[in-house]
Amino acid sequence: QSALTQPASVSGSPGQSITISCTGISSIVGSDNHVSWYQQHPDKAPKLLIYEGTKRPSGVSNRFSGSKSDNTASLTISGLQSDDEADYYCCSYAGSGSWVFGGGTKLTVL
Amino acid sequence: QVQLVESGGGLVKAGGSLRLSCAASGFTFSDYYMNWIRQAPGKGLEWLSFISSSGASIYHADSVKGRFTISRDNARSSLYLQMNSLRAEDTAVYYCVRKPPIDAFDLWGQGTMVTVSS
Repeated sequence: QSALTQPASVSGSPGQSITISCTGISSIVGSDNHVSWYQQHPDKAPKLLIYEGTKRPSGVSNRFSGSKSDNTASLTISGLQSDDEADYYCCSYAGSGSWVFGGGTKLTVL
Repeated sequence: QVQLVESGGGLVKAGGSLRLSCAASGFTFSDYYMNWIRQAPGKGLEWLSFISSSGASIYHADSVKGRFTISRDNARSSLYLQMNSLRAEDTAVYYCVRKPPIDAFDLWGQGTMVTVSS
């Protein structure tokens, strides 16, 4: 069982916004700047979407945004598109050179 | 082209060994920390191993400590994972992953499948 808890699944209709939560970040490290988010399409490698909680790498759509409140980090996807249907993982540095991933959330675009 | 290409996966019996390789290209390999991350069939991502740019610092997850060893050859722009005493639960796709000077993994290989038969 992961130390970072994500909902197993979320869904939304095209054009809507959805939020995926990742709970447990404060219990892993004291700083809130270590959370990253990844998108993984079936049979593909994960892709970095958000790093340091809120920052987007170059080339990632601004429809993806990250936030943090207390013990929970969140990924929000606005203007849902069919291609957003994928698995999403949060990740945090856990100290001593180690990292921990959330269990993953399957996003279904209805 | 900036990329990571893993190789060395395959079918092995429980208790056996396997060595994974990862060839980096398109960037200065020796400037980056590197990691191995795996994904069991139908499961989530699991961080396994970290190695600093020089190779001086190495960390392994408890699940593989004492059995797996990460190493690198900067002259060959290559990353390795020596896996010994393999178990059925080590069956997974293994990804070679780059870590830049931010707390995230920004470049992933396509993965190599390791299947351990019991």
